[in-house]
Parts: sequence; C-alpha cells; structure tokens
Amino acid sequence: LAKTTQPISMDSYEGQEVNITCSHNNIATNDYITWYQQFPSQGPRFIIQGYKTKVTNEVASLFIPADRKSSTLSLPRVSLSDTAVYYCLVGYQAGTALIFGKGTTLSVSS
Amino acid sequence: KAGVTQTPRYLIKTRGQQVTLSCSPISGHRSVSWYQQTPGQGLQFLFEYFSETQRNKGNFPGRFSGRQFSNSRSEMNVSTLELGDSALYLCASSARDITPQSPLHFGNGTRLTVT
Repeated sequence: LAKTTQPISMDSYEGQEVNITCSHNNIATNDYITWYQQFPSQGPRFIIQGYKTKVTNEVASLFIPADRKSSTLSLPRVSLSDTAVYYCLVGYQAGTALIFGKGTTLSVSS
Repeated sequence: KAGVTQTPRYLIKTRGQQVTLSCSPISGHRSVSWYQQTPGQGLQFLFEYFSETQRNKGNFPGRFSGRQFSNSRSEMNVSTLELGDSALYLCASSARDITPQSPLHFGNGTRLTVT
C-alpha cells in the first residue's frame, strides 16, 4: 500500500490560492490519487481524482508530476467555507483496503 | 440519487453493552467499507465488504464485526463496549468491486458515546 505524507496544517486568507502537497513515494503503477474534504461531524467528501498530469474540475485542480511520487491539490481563491481537513488517498486494486493518512487541516481566515 | 445513509446518527451506550450500526449504500454500489474516526487516531479502516463477503479487515479486535446483506446494506457490531470505542463510525460505499478507482462516498456517520 502506498503510504502518504501531508502537512499537518496550513493557514490561508480568503481569496488566496492554496496548494496542498501529498508525498507517495511507493505509489504503484495502477494506483490512482484521490483527494477528500471533511468538515467536522461529517463524512469525507470526494473532491478530485487523477492518475497523471493535471486534472481540473469546478472546485479544484490536481497536479501530478511525471514520476507520480507526489501530487498537489490546488484550491483557487479559498473562502471561509473551505476550512476543513483534506485527505490524500492512493490506491487502486479492488480487495485492497484504502488507508487514510492524518490529513491536512486547512484554516482560512478573513 | 440518495446518498449513503447511516443510522442511528447518535448513540449512547454503557461499558459492556453491545451496539449495532447500520449503513445503506448508494443504490447500485456493492462495496461498503467502515471506518472509525477519533481525534487522536484519525480515520482508521475497520473492514470492507463486496457482495456479502468481507474482503479486508483492519487492525481491530474481534469485538468489532460486520456483515453485508444481499441488498448491499451493511451492519457493524461492537460487543463488550469499552470507553475507548467512543468515536464517529463512518460507512462508505463505492463501485470499487467493478471499477477499482471508483471514489468512496461517505455517510455522515454514527456518533457513539460509551459511558
């Protein structure tokens, strides 16, 4: 299983772009990279998923370099409501448990 | 499409009792996994079921068990409750049995308090 490492916490101000990097040095060939967002007392929510290069959706972008040993979640122009814990999850194979790391607590201030 | 439904939302039990938590996955999803979340340990994997069969189990004592029914609904049971079992228990469903990279869809959990 690919182990992931993320910063424990990050601080930002409203309107700024936030980049959260996740390291996954032993990522397997078939592994996908998925990011989740979690608010207090709620279950994590899927944000974005990618395999290589760049993926963009309406809420975020995901940058994956060629060696795939890391990935960066980019949140454009954050607001107070983006204050949450963000988890990077690496895995693919059915029948293999998906293990969450500690996540990154993002605090956005006005 | 209805999301993942977990019942009950809150539960208070006494040490030594047992508890059963329920999870209804998104329609069409046959994979259900369970996680325990506590402030100190984060999200810890309990077990995962595909088509009524347990496919993976996390590092939890045998007091924690689960099952999945033919309609993909799942239950988890904790026997002989301990104070340390107080946590948010989260269920997630997905189509991982068909498409392994399918993302997990979580319910809002059951908050269990053991006194």
